[in-house]
Amino acid sequence: LAKTTQPISMDSYEGQEVNITCSHNNIATNDYITWYQQFPSQGPRFIIQGYKTKVTNEVASLFIPADRKSSTLSLPRVSLSDTAVYYCLVGPIYNQGGKLIFGQGTELSVKP
Amino acid sequence: NAGVTQTPKFRVLKTGQSMTLLCAQDMNHEYMYWYRQDPGMGLRLIHYSVGEGTTAKGEVPDGYNVSRLKKQNFLLGLESAAPSQTSVYFCASSGPPGSSTDTQYFGPGTRLTVL
Repeated sequence: LAKTTQPISMDSYEGQEVNITCSHNNIATNDYITWYQQFPSQGPRFIIQGYKTKVTNEVASLFIPADRKSSTLSLPRVSLSDTAVYYCLVGPIYNQGGKLIFGQGTELSVKP
Repeated sequence: NAGVTQTPKFRVLKTGQSMTLLCAQDMNHEYMYWYRQDPGMGLRLIHYSVGEGTTAKGEVPDGYNVSRLKKQNFLLGLESAAPSQTSVYFCASSGPPGSSTDTQYFGPGTRLTVL
């Protein structure tokens, strides 16, 4: 499975747009990019998934350049409740057996 | 529709004791998973199941056993608990690859302490 690299932590303020970039240099042709969000003392929650270009849903946008070696999760106008750890995962749906690899994730702290 | 539930929420064991963690899902998912999460780390897959009656090893299977006797339930067993198994355990379920339900849904977690 493709290894991912993300910043360990990020700080932001309420109302700002937050962009979290994930590097996955050895992504395979049949790999998708998925982002999960995890609040303290809770299980991870699916945010968004994409293969190429741009995907948008009610929560976030996912930007994937043509070479697919990186991706950027964009959270518009964050609030305090967006403080969480965000995980970038790369792998085929669904991994020939569910071997999702969660890295350390990016700990986002939103301040008032 | 409760989603994924885990029992118990908290447990303290002594070294050498055994216990079983129960995961239940009501979404009719084929796939179920057990992960552990340690402080400052991401989740690591222990075991998973791609259907009733089937199980397979993940990244860190040693010291754990699992069973999937019913589609909706996935049990994680610790036969002889060790302090290194102190962790938060998460269960997840999903539909088959390529299906509209192939994202994983996670339970609330079980916090286990082994003394």
